[in-house]
Amino acid sequence: QKEVEQNSGPLSVPEGAIASLNCTYSDRGSQSFFWYRQYSGKSPELIMFIYSNGDKEDGRFTAQLNKASQYVSLLIRDSQPSDSATYLCAVTPAGAGTALIFGKGTTLSVSS
Amino acid sequence: GAGVSQSPSNKVTEKGKDVELRCDPISGHTALYWYRQSLGQGLEFLIYFQGNSAPDKSGLPSDRFSAERTGGSVSTLTIQRTQQEDSAVYLCASSRGLAEDEQFFGPGTRLTVL
Repeated sequence: QKEVEQNSGPLSVPEGAIASLNCTYSDRGSQSFFWYRQYSGKSPELIMFIYSNGDKEDGRFTAQLNKASQYVSLLIRDSQPSDSATYLCAVTPAGAGTALIFGKGTTLSVSS
Repeated sequence: GAGVSQSPSNKVTEKGKDVELRCDPISGHTALYWYRQSLGQGLEFLIYFQGNSAPDKSGLPSDRFSAERTGGSVSTLTIQRTQQEDSAVYLCASSRGLAEDEQFFGPGTRLTVL
């Protein structure tokens, strides 16, 4: 069973702080890794993808991938109340084409 | 259209009835995916179509679920003899089909089985 695990939260941070979201996956052959944001009652939207070990930065967001330890994380700097949402980690397992296996998501709450 | 569209947006049905959910992907996207999301849960992969290849049906929870994609575009997900545990939001997504490509999600169909 290919699994993606996330802490459900809620993760609460004050405005301006760094939010750190973590995800582990079971399939060592996984190829691509995605972070989606989902506001309540809405569809997921892509925040970042990463497929090489190391860090990838995009604005206030940094994705970190460590394939040896099978984890991927998302850092949100200068968190804003508008960042309050559920963050879904998704993985493309080996041999699965491009279908995604999602974690259950971490709920982030940023207080002003 | 500009994005992925799904219909209906809401569907209420009685246990035992069949339902059909429709997805219209972004024009030119070769890959189409169906997921479902139960209350408070993550997305569960159901099935995906890539071009003219045979669909990957490995996520379908039972043989009551089936899907087809006509002409490489519109897809229909059919649930036969619906059960209460089928109640969920059914999300369709499409992409260009490459591993690193973003999957664009439709607004979903909320299915309620009474």
